[in-house]
Amino acid sequence: QQQVKQSPQSLIVQKGGISIINCAYENTAFDYFPWYQQFPGKGPALLIAIRPDVSEKKEGRFTISFNKSAKQFSLHIMDSQPGDSATYFCAAGRLLGGSQGNLIFGKGTKLSVKP
Amino acid sequence: NAGVMQNPRHLVRRRGQEARLRCSPMKGHSHVYWYRQLPEEGLKFMVYLQKENIIDESGMPKERFSAEFPKEGPSILRIQQVVRGDSAAYFCASSHSGAAGFFGPGTRLTVL
Repeated sequence: QQQVKQSPQSLIVQKGGISIINCAYENTAFDYFPWYQQFPGKGPALLIAIRPDVSEKKEGRFTISFNKSAKQFSLHIMDSQPGDSATYFCAAGRLLGGSQGNLIFGKGTKLSVKP
Repeated sequence: NAGVMQNPRHLVRRRGQEARLRCSPMKGHSHVYWYRQLPEEGLKFMVYLQKENIIDESGMPKERFSAEFPKEGPSILRIQQVVRGDSAAYFCASSHSGAAGFFGPGTRLTVL
């Protein structure tokens, strides 16, 4: 019930293309779904996050799509650039009640954007 | 406004020694979280602390690991009698409320 499954494990996209990373969760009590970007040797950086009361959130070239009934959410990177090459992690957690702050992370997707 | 700070950035210990990892949260943040990342793996939650209190330690190994966040000073993750399997990157995150938002650069622990 605590797992977050992320796919694909790795992704190669041409510059200007769309990168799509998918995640699925099991615990219906989760109400906070962030995406993190991590470069080698660095800590994860919060990219964008969504709550389950909306189905989509967009910030610049990054969009989260959320499907509550399917318990799935995805990250879309439009007009992908070589500088976007990094490892992306989805996560899920609870903001209200319970164990606040305990995020469950997916295993990550290594994105490579070819020039 | 400095981000989350962790030190040391790299730590080498021999088996059986103690490792102390420090985390200074962002200014104004009173919630600290520790995560461990093994190579090619996602982050695994270890412990969630507020000032002088452990809120959730469900991810902490039962032995050798401890954490504190005193009233003054940084949060400390302490690993006693380290073993090779403790080699990993340890990340600290902080927030002013709710889920962990901002991560530090991590401490990479190598146990020889």
